[in-house]
Parts: sequence; structure tokens; C-alpha cells
Amino acid sequence: QLVLTQSPSASASRGASVKLTCSLSSGHTTNAIAWHQQQPERGPRYLMKVNSDGSHTKGDGIPDRFSGSSSGAERYLTISSLQSEDEADYYCQTWVSGIWVFGGGTKVTVL
Amino acid sequence: EVQLVESGGGLVQPGGSLRLSCEGSGFIFSNYEMNWVRQAPGKGLEWISYISSSGTTKYYADSVMGRFSVSRDNARNSLSLQMSSLTTGDTGVYYCVRDLVFYSNTRTGMDWGQGALVTVSS
Repeated sequence: QLVLTQSPSASASRGASVKLTCSLSSGHTTNAIAWHQQQPERGPRYLMKVNSDGSHTKGDGIPDRFSGSSSGAERYLTISSLQSEDEADYYCQTWVSGIWVFGGGTKVTVL
Repeated sequence: EVQLVESGGGLVQPGGSLRLSCEGSGFIFSNYEMNWVRQAPGKGLEWISYISSSGTTKYYADSVMGRFSVSRDNARNSLSLQMSSLTTGDTGVYYCVRDLVFYSNTRTGMDWGQGALVTVSS
């Protein structure tokens, strides 16, 4: 069964970096994933697609301080130079044969 | 600019039905696969349905299989979700989402609507 696992929360100081992890379940460790950001009281916004080789492609207007990477079954989203507007929920998502699966989301707090 | 605008949300009693619509603009609607994703109050995102660009292939999450039906009218740039036998567990914001788009080696996209609130309550 395809499952994405995310830590419920993460925090870092303004100006620092935070690295979020999305873990793919066994048998799906080469899947690409997408990262989405959901700021408080707003709809989700697509950030990027991260491939198993660590390459990533970003959505329109996504700042350079957002980057993606991979290692084995893990997919990462790194936010550098954290700003107050980065305080949000971050969801990873993958797909197989037209079926989408979302991770539970990570709430990022900017201290 | 890509825009997806949902409509049709509202309050419905348990066991009732509701039809959501999503109108797309700023892109060639008939070229793209579409999805519905929902979010219960205070919860995460849940994918519920997929439809191919032509409308011939459809998939559903187990939680809505047999109760929800997705369709599209490419001539009207419109996506629909017919929901029946609604329960309180179906309460949430429903988003239509354009599937992943490859623009270049460095840029991809996936577009979300603003969402439509569905409240199932007596």
C-alpha cells in the first residue's frame, strides 16, 4: 500500500533553514513526489516536483529559497532564509496509475 | 493565467445530494487531466477523484466509490462532481486541481481552485 509519512511539525527561527521529510512506503521508493504549501486560511499552492534522483522542478513564482532533494525513499523540501510567510502546512503527494496519495502534512512554525 | 473556480457548495442534510462544478480558464481545458481533492475541517488533504482529459477514464477513492461521480464538459471548460448519500464525514472544502503539467526541464505546475465548502448537517 502506497503511504507517505511526514512529521507533524517543524520549527526554526526566522532567517534559518528547515528541512522537511516525506518518506515513501516500501515498494514505492522510486516515486516522484510533489510538495504543496497551505498558508493559514488559504487553499493549497503547488511548490515543486521532486524526482528520485534528487532533481526538482518548481512551480511558477516559487522563490529560490525553496528547494527539493532525495535520498533513497526520502524526499525533502528545504526552506532557506525562513520568512514569516513560510509559516504554513506543507503536504507531500505522489501518484500511481492515476491515484493520488497525500502525506499527513507538516506544520512549519517560524519562531 | 490559469484559473479554476469551484461553485455549488452549501449545506445539505445527511443522505442528500449536491453537485459541485469547476470552471477552468486560461488554458486549453480539454488537454488536461483533472482531480478533486477535499479537506475536512482541521484535517489534511484527501484525494477523491480523477478524470482523464477525454473523460473516458475515471478513478475514485474508496471513501467515495459508488456515491460520487465525476464528469466533464470540455466544450464548456467545466468539471463536475455529483455527490450523493452524503454523510457528515463528507463535510469539508472541495478543490478541483489540474494535474501535473510539464512546462520545461526546470518548471512544472499543478493548479488548485479556491475551494467550495460542503457542509453535511441536519
